Amino acid sequence: DAGVIQSPRHEVTEMGQEVTLRCKPISGHNSLFWYRQTMMRGLELLIYFNNNVPIDDSGMPEDRFSAKMPNASFSTLKIQPSEPRDSAVYFCASSLGSVGLQPQHFGDGTRLSIL
Amino acid sequence: KQEVTQIPAALSVPEGENLVLNCSFTDSAIYNLQWFRQDPGKGLTSLLLIQSSQREQTSGRLNASLDKSSGRSTLYIAASQPGDSATYLCAVSQGAQKLVFGQGTRLTINP
Repeated sequence: DAGVIQSPRHEVTEMGQEVTLRCKPISGHNSLFWYRQTMMRGLELLIYFNNNVPIDDSGMPEDRFSAKMPNASFSTLKIQPSEPRDSAVYFCASSLGSVGLQPQHFGDGTRLSIL
Repeated sequence: KQEVTQIPAALSVPEGENLVLNCSFTDSAIYNLQWFRQDPGKGLTSLLLIQSSQREQTSGRLNASLDKSSGRSTLYIAASQPGDSATYLCAVSQGAQKLVFGQGTRLTINP
């Protein structure tokens, strides 16, 4: 079975540019999560969706970050404008159900570098 | 605010040894606790999930325990192998799905 698919795997761009990260969850999973991982702060939850609806976006750093899930098989995380401090590895994860009975499955991440 | 601590930050042992990784959390009101493995340049792989009503879970050479009242969990790895080398992360759920992660333990198994 295909796992969570993220694209691109690597992104290098200049400060001020718009960045769009993409995620395809595992088919049939109805919960989707976006995380950010840095050396300083570790792994942090940014936002999660249940059945395509955003449930908790309290981890989104600021208004420059936005996430959408237009359908059950696709989600985007957008940063506009990007800043060097946004450099990190961004992970998408999905799970079955909405009450924490099933584990989260992670993609391989997008390594983002903002120059 | 929930805080998750993992000790030690790094561990190096010879192949074949049994070992224990530790995880502690400050708020005992959790839904579940999960142990993950992360290989360099890769995402996380779920190893074990323990519901708040459970005391332990086992999968092959791995055994995870949970003591909610004391805010502790351990991951026991039996007969370690070089392929077990990775970073191991502990995460607790705040609410049903919101995970709070520890910083991880970097494990090296020496042949």
